[in-house]
Amino acid sequence: GQNIDQPTEMTATEGAIVQINCTYQTSGFNGLFWYQQHAGEAPTFLSYNVLDGLEEKGRFSSFLSRSKGYSYLLLKELQMKDSASYLCAVMDSNYQLIWGAGTKLIIKP
Amino acid sequence: ETGVTQTPRHLVMGMTNKKSLKCEQHLGHNAMYWYKQSAKKPLELMFVYNFKEQTENNSVPSRFSPECPNSSHLFLHLHTLQPEDSALYLCASSQGLAGGPDTQYFGPGTRLTVL
Repeated sequence: GQNIDQPTEMTATEGAIVQINCTYQTSGFNGLFWYQQHAGEAPTFLSYNVLDGLEEKGRFSSFLSRSKGYSYLLLKELQMKDSASYLCAVMDSNYQLIWGAGTKLIIKP
Repeated sequence: ETGVTQTPRHLVMGMTNKKSLKCEQHLGHNAMYWYKQSAKKPLELMFVYNFKEQTENNSVPSRFSPECPNSSHLFLHLHTLQPEDSALYLCASSQGLAGGPDTQYFGPGTRLTVL
């Protein structure tokens, strides 16, 4: 079967750095997405990786290793507004998105 | 209005009621999706439409009935629901046809409670 694993919850301190990991086992691979979802709001697109390596976008970076079935989302200079759930999703060989259950990130002052 | 909008934002209904959820996308996209999001579970894809044609129905019970009158509007008609159907129902759209490496854009969802 297809599976996406990510931690259920993480806690970090304002101003610090946090890394949210995602491992996957899917039928084929056509890219990996990260979304941010604040409570009661729409998931919003953060990043898309299809090639190995690190993609940097401001305070957020996303890394992919296809051989290891592994990705991480790195958040720097954490702000209180970064408290949210972070969803990892992989597009399989049929271009269907397979979703993880999300990681709830709690930022403490 | 911009992006993807959904109404109502909250809905409480009894098991014998009939109600409808509405989604509208203002992005000029060609594909639209319904997802179910339950607490601490992955998003579950329910239905996919390309250019108003349904291309995916992931074994969804018949008490959920989708309707796509045009590429900008999507409805989810609900009848005889069960308490376990209580969840956040998300609508999404994407530029290209579903079946390509396209980013999906989501609406804020309808929080449904079935009593």
